[in-house]
Amino acid sequence: VTLLEQNPRWRLVPRGQAVNLRCILKNSQYPWMSWYQQDLQKQLQWLFTLRSPGDKEVKSLPGADYLATRVTDTELRLQVANMSQGRTLYCTCSAGQGANTGQLYFGEGSKLTVL
Amino acid sequence: GQQVQQSPASLVLQEGENAELQCNFSTSLNSMQWFYQRPGGSLVSLFYNPSGTKHSGRLTSTTVIKERRSSLHISSSQTTDSGTYLCARNNYAQGLTFGLGTRVSVFP
Repeated sequence: VTLLEQNPRWRLVPRGQAVNLRCILKNSQYPWMSWYQQDLQKQLQWLFTLRSPGDKEVKSLPGADYLATRVTDTELRLQVANMSQGRTLYCTCSAGQGANTGQLYFGEGSKLTVL
Repeated sequence: GQQVQQSPASLVLQEGENAELQCNFSTSLNSMQWFYQRPGGSLVSLFYNPSGTKHSGRLTSTTVIKERRSSLHISSSQTTDSGTYLCARNNYAQGLTFGLGTRVSVFP
């Protein structure tokens, strides 16, 4: 059973252009939604965890800037800007956060390539 | 330095061979998880908070929390076991911290 639906699954991003990613939660038992990035060296790194509609956070990492928004109880978005290196963004869900995360479930990922 | 260290970095097996993957944590641990990443990219949870020894099919996880280490044993490997095995630790105030993974290739 698919818990998360991510789109787009792949995107070619012209240098300097921003891209918007979307993640839909299919099971309300796991309301803590997060974004992780996986760089070209395959290192997975946590970016954000957002629980409530209206929550927003920004972060700047080597190679990209991020703005994450929890739009509704079932929708999480990520805007990726100033990307200089390709990466894959994964949406996840869990029953809790931090030490109470429990089992973590991954979406299929959104693979971004810089043109 | 790397908070989560995995070894070996890569492993080549002949179908039917067993394998042992290691995960060590540099700081005190609350709980950890093992994941499998398919060659296509998607990740699947294998074991969550596997304190002690747990089994799932041909996989066995053995974790000693106070010693900050965990191992994953693959028995009778199959070509479909090929992929990357990742371990990760839970943290108090943020998401999981992942190791770099062990890339496993199983040949017929």
